[in-house]
Amino acid sequence: AQSVTQLGSHVSVSEGALVLLRCNYSSSVPPYLFWYVQYPNQGLQLLLKYTSAATLVKGINGFEAEFKKSETSFHLTKPSAHMSDAAEYFCAVSGEGQFYFGTGTSLTVIP
Amino acid sequence: NAGVTQTPKFQVLKTGQSMTLQCAQDMNHEYMSWYRQDPGMGLRLIHYSVGAGITDQGEVPNGYNVSRSTTEDFPLRLLSAAPSQTSVYFCASSYSGGLFSYEQYFGPGTRLTVT
Repeated sequence: AQSVTQLGSHVSVSEGALVLLRCNYSSSVPPYLFWYVQYPNQGLQLLLKYTSAATLVKGINGFEAEFKKSETSFHLTKPSAHMSDAAEYFCAVSGEGQFYFGTGTSLTVIP
Repeated sequence: NAGVTQTPKFQVLKTGQSMTLQCAQDMNHEYMSWYRQDPGMGLRLIHYSVGAGITDQGEVPNGYNVSRSTTEDFPLRLLSAAPSQTSVYFCASSYSGGLFSYEQYFGPGTRLTVT
């Protein structure tokens, strides 16, 4: 079975600082990888996805993620955090007929 | 397009009661799924469907039933509610194509409390 590990359940950054949210996956086949964001009391919405094209994927709201097969990682970054980025972020991998989500990382942005 | 809709938004049940959480999508997606979200545990798959008439179990199916009679609708039934089923439930849908490279679209969620 596939799995996703998100390192750090809570991350705090200052406004304007770099955002780095970590995701590692285990997959026996080339994976499809996703990052979702969840704002309070809302459903999840897609930030970006990797589907075996370019290894650097750009998403909405200035986020991007890099697929590194050698490290089985798909970390999410944003150069400069904004207050509106405060949310829960989920990494996910798909395959074998299912989607597998990580346990989430809560991002706090400090003014 | 309304996307993925869920009703109700909030529900309180007593232990032993049954109810159905409704989910509908208007994007003609083949794949639909139900998740529950609990603090510190991320999203866990309850049941999923790859098309009308086809359903399968996910990671945590016990206590839940599903059916898929149409492409649009995918209701989740709680047979006899238990406090352990207190959670936020999300329905999602996507195109399905082989290795599931398509992203899922999520509904707004149903917050269920079982007392």
